[in-house]
Amino acid sequence: QVQLQESGPGLVKPSQTLSLSCTVSGDSISSGAYYWSWIRQHPGKGLEWIGYIYYSGSTYQNSSLQSRVTVSVDRSQNQFSLKLSSVTAADTAIYYCASANCGGDCPINYWGQGTLVTVSS
Amino acid sequence: SYDLTQPLSVSVALGQTARITCRGNNLGSKNVHWYRQKPGQAPVLVIYRDYNRPSGIPEQFSGSNSGNTATLTISTAQAGDEANYYCQVWDTGTVVFGGGTKLTVL
Repeated sequence: QVQLQESGPGLVKPSQTLSLSCTVSGDSISSGAYYWSWIRQHPGKGLEWIGYIYYSGSTYQNSSLQSRVTVSVDRSQNQFSLKLSSVTAADTAIYYCASANCGGDCPINYWGQGTLVTVSS
Repeated sequence: SYDLTQPLSVSVALGQTARITCRGNNLGSKNVHWYRQKPGQAPVLVIYRDYNRPSGIPEQFSGSNSGNTATLTISTAQAGDEANYYCQVWDTGTVVFGGGTKLTVL
């Protein structure tokens, strides 16, 4: 049973880079069995997929955010991370790390509890 | 990009059956997953690949998918079923969510 836990600053200034990490427990991030994802939810709104990374390092991002998003893996820490650059107030949201067992067909079956990130000066 | 459309809200009388729809172009050719999200909590998978229930999800949850419409059915709705429900598919390597439906049990 995989467990995910987000960590990172809850407050980021406009124009800066939002950085979050997700610690994976219950399995190795390099097992090849998961697509590690980031999903966000603006206050009172629906779910928005940000992007994912496979253990091999291949990544895929939401085209609306692609130019600002970097998803990476830190195998030594069994973590994966999100960097979102040039943030504005519109990036204020709850950020979830999550995983699916495959890309292209599988459900997202593991979710972190979510972490609220507020963009404000 | 691929779009999934859900009604903003659905109401159901206590003990009755609720149906939440998700519409997309040729949606029946894709596998649809459904999530329940209660306030302050992360989403939870309730149906995967159109009609399959994960372990721990009661039989009151069922799903179907045909043509352009997938449907999540919640039978014998209880107050505890009040939540937001989201459909999700994969499209050309990306994850797509519907806008979500708020289920109210009257």
